[in-house]
Amino acid sequence: GENVEQHPSTLSVQEGDSAVIKCTYSDSASNYFPWYKQELGKGPQLIIDIRSNVGEKKDQRIAVTLNKTAKHFSLHITETQPEDSAVYFCAAGRETALIFGKGTTLSVSS
Amino acid sequence: KAGVTQTPRYLIKTRGQQVTLSCSPISGHRSVSWYQQTPGQGLQFLFEYFSETQRNKGNFPGRFSGRQFSNSRSEMNVSTLELGDSALYLCASSLDGSGNTGELFFGEGSRLTVL
Repeated sequence: GENVEQHPSTLSVQEGDSAVIKCTYSDSASNYFPWYKQELGKGPQLIIDIRSNVGEKKDQRIAVTLNKTAKHFSLHITETQPEDSAVYFCAAGRETALIFGKGTTLSVSS
Repeated sequence: KAGVTQTPRYLIKTRGQQVTLSCSPISGHRSVSWYQQTPGQGLQFLFEYFSETQRNKGNFPGRFSGRQFSNSRSEMNVSTLELGDSALYLCASSLDGSGNTGELFFGEGSRLTVL
């Protein structure tokens, strides 16, 4: 089955810096790669996703890149703000269930 | 539009007992997935139900079971509770299924503590 590795597990940045979170997946048939943000006491919420026919997608300060050959994808957050502090999860899947990485705790200090 | 509702939000059980958690998906959503969240393991997939049928299943023992009703509401049950079952159990709904259509909408979870 699918296995998703996520790094780093914790990330601390200064406000205004960029943050990068990386994930690798094992199932070459996976074709959907979302990123979720979980704030304290809440369920995860989708922030951006990418499908395997696209290499890069951007939404304001957030971008995701996908390298299907290497089976890895990354989340890039630019101009970080304190409200970006949360746990971020990557996931990979296809018609079957989404498999999540173990999460990255991002702390943005002002 | 109401979000995903999970009940109860918090519960405490003792080893050997059983527990049932409930999830009401967003109106119109037919797929319900369940995840176990623990600090060390992140989000682990339990199972997914679609139109009252279990469509996918994760790698959990048979003590973990679920079902979905005709109105798409879902329940999961854990029997013979163990200390390691202490976790946040998250339910997520989607229109058709997690891989195909994309976005999962998560509830706030049911926090289970096993003593």
